[in-house]
Amino acid sequence: GAGVSQTPSNKVTEKGKYVELRCDPISGHTALYWYRQSLGQGPEFLIYFQGTGAADDSGLPNDRFFAVRPEGSVSTLKIQRTERGDSAVYLCASSPDRRGDTQYFGPGTRLTVL
Amino acid sequence: KNQVEQSPQSLIILEGKNCTLQCNYTVSPFSNLRWYKQDTGRGPVSLTIMTFSENTKSNGRYTATLDADTKQSSLHITASQLSDSASYICVVSAHNTDKLIFGTGTRLQVFP
Repeated sequence: GAGVSQTPSNKVTEKGKYVELRCDPISGHTALYWYRQSLGQGPEFLIYFQGTGAADDSGLPNDRFFAVRPEGSVSTLKIQRTERGDSAVYLCASSPDRRGDTQYFGPGTRLTVL
Repeated sequence: KNQVEQSPQSLIILEGKNCTLQCNYTVSPFSNLRWYKQDTGRGPVSLTIMTFSENTKSNGRYTATLDADTKQSSLHITASQLSDSASYICVVSAHNTDKLIFGTGTRLQVFP
């Protein structure tokens, strides 16, 4: 079956621009997570959705970052006024039900802010 | 503060050799510990998961151990293959939140 997919795989943008990153979770998975991973580091938690609602957004670094999951399936991570420090790989993961379930990761979107 | 530390940071071994990766954590209350493998340019993939009562679990040539008293885990790779070249990430879940705390990973390179 299909795994978690993310689009685009690579995104290059200029400082100050707005970007949207998309995540398609595994069908039927109610929990969805966004992480950010810098080179040589482990994933850093950003936000966790249970269904349509953000159950934990404590990892979002500031108000330039926002994520939605309007129908409880596809999620979009939105970054406003991008900065060079936002450059990283943004990983999405999903799990069947509760947060403690094994998370299945997508391939990530590599964001480069020039 | 909940933390997960891994060592070594990077490791180079020859094909066919064994190796052991270490993970120390301070997460409390502990729920479970996972080892993930992350190939370059891909998302992490779960290898093993262990709860408090389990002290060893195998997945093919991968064997993970857990000592919940000393809060240490190891991942042993037997008869390494070139395809084992990847980052190995130790991930600990806190019982009260189920939040995952990721280590920084060990970068393993297997040479022929």
